[in-house]
Amino acid sequence: ETGVTQSPTHLIKTRGQQVTLRCSSQSGHNTVSWYQQALGQGPQFIFQYYREEENGRGNFPPRFSGLQFPNYSSELNVNALELDDSALYLCASTTRGRHYGYTFGSGTRLTVV
Amino acid sequence: DQQVKQNSPSLSVQEGRISILNCDYTNSMFDYFLWYKKYPAEGPTFLISISSIKDKNEDGRFTVFLNKSAKHLSLHIVPSQPGDSAVYFCAASGDNNDMRFGAGTRLTVKP
Repeated sequence: ETGVTQSPTHLIKTRGQQVTLRCSSQSGHNTVSWYQQALGQGPQFIFQYYREEENGRGNFPPRFSGLQFPNYSSELNVNALELDDSALYLCASTTRGRHYGYTFGSGTRLTVV
Repeated sequence: DQQVKQNSPSLSVQEGRISILNCDYTNSMFDYFLWYKKYPAEGPTFLISISSIKDKNEDGRFTVFLNKSAKHLSLHIVPSQPGDSAVYFCAASGDNNDMRFGAGTRLTVKP
């Protein structure tokens, strides 16, 4: 049983650019959530996808968008990057309705310069 | 909106003693609570959870206590071991499974 994999592991972008981060969910999981973790803080909920539909969103602007594919993998897109977007982006998957906790990937470290 | 709060950024205990990590929440719609452990350069890993219908859940050296009236939960680790040194995150979720995390507490267990 594979876990959650994220790519790339590290990324450097320039302010104003766009970025796409990718996540493959754990086998059997149909729900994917994305989190932003700034240095010294806990993960902040960006949004959740269930069966290819956005199913809940945190306090993030519309330039943060996502997709979930039929195989339950997911992408996080961020447009018009700002310096404050520099953070660790975590993807987590679970099976909806089952409180076994999320399985997290190791994250993508995004640096905006 | 800080719906989940961990007010102690760090905790240091001696090996063999008890570690107590605390967490408070504000949203009464949360009905499931979890603790995650995070090592550097890794994603958080699930440690233990508790449903709102319980007030205690135990798994080996780890016990989570829930006080719904106070909107407070705690994680007890007994006995603490050096390998327990990590950042511990408290998380809470409601019906739609979107988890909200606290800022984390860095636990250091000294040999």
